[in-house]
Amino acid sequence: KAGVTQTPRYLIKTRGQQVTLSCSPISGHRSVSWYQQTPGQGLQFLFEYFSETQRNKGNFPGRFSGRQFSNSRSEMNVSTLELGDSALYLCASSLRTGGTTGELFFGEGSRLTVL
Amino acid sequence: DQQVKQNSPSLSVQEGRISILNCDYTNSMFDYFLWYKKYPAEGPTFLISISSIKDKNEDGRFTVFLNKSAKHLSLHIVPSQPGDSAVYFCAARRTGANNLFFGTGTRLTVIP
Repeated sequence: KAGVTQTPRYLIKTRGQQVTLSCSPISGHRSVSWYQQTPGQGLQFLFEYFSETQRNKGNFPGRFSGRQFSNSRSEMNVSTLELGDSALYLCASSLRTGGTTGELFFGEGSRLTVL
Repeated sequence: DQQVKQNSPSLSVQEGRISILNCDYTNSMFDYFLWYKKYPAEGPTFLISISSIKDKNEDGRFTVFLNKSAKHLSLHIVPSQPGDSAVYFCAARRTGANNLFFGTGTRLTVIP
């Protein structure tokens, strides 16, 4: 069973640019969540999508946005990049059923460097 | 506002001994707790979890203990092995939510 796939793995942008990251969840998983990992803050929740709808959102500015497609694939976008946006962006998928254990399956992440 | 805290950024343990990783939380609405393990250049992988209705869950060499009154949980690894060297994240989930609140991680080094 293929895991969560994130592209690109590494990218470098400059301040003011925008970036789009892509995530393909595990087959059959309909929930996709995004997290930002930085050295001092650990993993911070960005947002969750389920059935193409944003179900939950973390405490990030509106420059961070996302969407989910009918095949459950998801993209996140960061506009007007700032130096502080440099981080590892992790995507996670889950079944999100009533009896879910809360287990998330993570991809390897997209490492963004903003210069 | 860090609702899940791991106050020890690093821990070193001799191979074969016990590793104890600690985690504290502040939100009494958390009902499920998880430990994830992360190697460099990889995403976190699920290790073990515990529901708030339990105080202990065991899976092989890994045991998680939950003390609700103290809002504290710990992960015990016995015996520790060099392959356990990784960053361990504690995470918590609120009732009805699917997002997790993570701690900042503890880097465990098991010395052969």
